[in-house]
Amino acid sequence: DGGITQSPKYLFRKEGQNVTLSCEQNLNHDAMYWYRQDPGQGLRLIYYSQIVNDFQKGDIAEGYSVSREKKESFPLTVTSAQKNPTAFYLCASSISGRAANEQFFGPGTRLTVL
Amino acid sequence: SQQGEEDPQALSIQEGENATMNCSYKTSINNLQWYRQNSGRGLVHLILIRSNEREKHSGRLRVTLDTSKKSSSLLITASRAADTASYFCATVQGAQKLVFGQGTRLTINP
Repeated sequence: DGGITQSPKYLFRKEGQNVTLSCEQNLNHDAMYWYRQDPGQGLRLIYYSQIVNDFQKGDIAEGYSVSREKKESFPLTVTSAQKNPTAFYLCASSISGRAANEQFFGPGTRLTVL
Repeated sequence: SQQGEEDPQALSIQEGENATMNCSYKTSINNLQWYRQNSGRGLVHLILIRSNEREKHSGRLRVTLDTSKKSSSLLITASRAADTASYFCATVQGAQKLVFGQGTRLTINP
């Protein structure tokens, strides 16, 4: 099956811990994105990557880090510097880095800080 | 910053009725996209309308775009219970970023 997967579906973190959210796609898409969604809100862009080994900060990058070592994978690390990390995290991909293209979303990871 | 603003924030209608949601934006756009999100799930792309298009159809969906008023509308005809979801507009800024609105929560009552 072609698609974009995220794991885990639910993640619990203690304060002060770093956690890494996984995002994998087998659509052969060049571009990948990470968004954060708070309850009843829209999506805010954290980081995006238009090509392997390259990524740019989005609107709310502070407290987050990413890597793009493989085309298929774009993991997001939520660091202890992120003051309010409890949220729903969505990963997306598109065929190229042009935002005019349709984005395909994964099912999301719900992160809760205990 | 959120550019697209959907209106209304919540809409509740009876099954079979039409549902209309609106989106306003502030700056020039390349295109505007509508997405749907079922509760607790990822978003699904519905339709894309380019800045030089005025209307587009896809099944029971009809999207209009008025660039002079910087607004778009999404019409769902003959609504079904399965249409219950949140609907987001997203505008393309520059070449690289989609900016999402806060969404309209649509509830279809059987």
